[in-house]
Amino acid sequence: QLQLQESGPGLVKPSETLSLTCTVSGGSISSSSYYWGWIRQPPGKGLEWIGSIYYSGSTYYNPSLKSRVTISVDTSKNQFSLKLSSVTAADTAVYYCARHVFSGYSSGINWFDPWGQGTLVTVSS
Amino acid sequence: SYELTQPPSVSVSPGQTARITCSGDALPKQYAYWYQQKPGQAPVLVIYKDSERPSGIPERFSGSSSGTTVTLTISGVQAEDEADYYCQSADSSGTFVVFGGGTKLTVL
Repeated sequence: QLQLQESGPGLVKPSETLSLTCTVSGGSISSSSYYWGWIRQPPGKGLEWIGSIYYSGSTYYNPSLKSRVTISVDTSKNQFSLKLSSVTAADTAVYYCARHVFSGYSSGINWFDPWGQGTLVTVSS
Repeated sequence: SYELTQPPSVSVSPGQTARITCSGDALPKQYAYWYQQKPGQAPVLVIYKDSERPSGIPERFSGSSSGTTVTLTISGVQAEDEADYYCQSADSSGTFVVFGGGTKLTVL
């Protein structure tokens, strides 16, 4: 059974870079037809897609965050990572990683399953 | 930017049918997906490709699509179905993943 687990600091200072890693177990991150995504949820609010990556390194990002986001993959460790720069209090959220079933922009095939348990990142000095 | 619109809340009594709608201009071109999220837990996929149900999801969960609106229907609602429900799709070009604002289902 595929499982995902987020890890990283729970507290980040304003203007610094948030860094998280997602470790995939029970399956290979190099599987075809799957991207790997990051989604966040501010406390008490809704879900926001951050971006996704293919095992080859191909990425696509939410345009509203693109200038601050970098997602990378390490197939040797079965992990993918998120970096979000210049964080503010508005970036405080639970950050989830998930397998992104995606078959191309025109296919309509575009969903997240399964998800990691999520990790709360607070931006505060 | 593209948006999906959901009602903030829906309330039903146990055993009744709950319907949660999601509206968006690109929905005739893009599939919709539905997630259930209980407090303190990660979202769980309950419907994919408008109306398909993943294995392990009870048959009382169903999805439908009509024009710019998709609907999640929960028949014979049970107390355990009380949760937040989110629709998800993409813009017309497929390059931007978007979630609806979420609907809190209350079982009275």
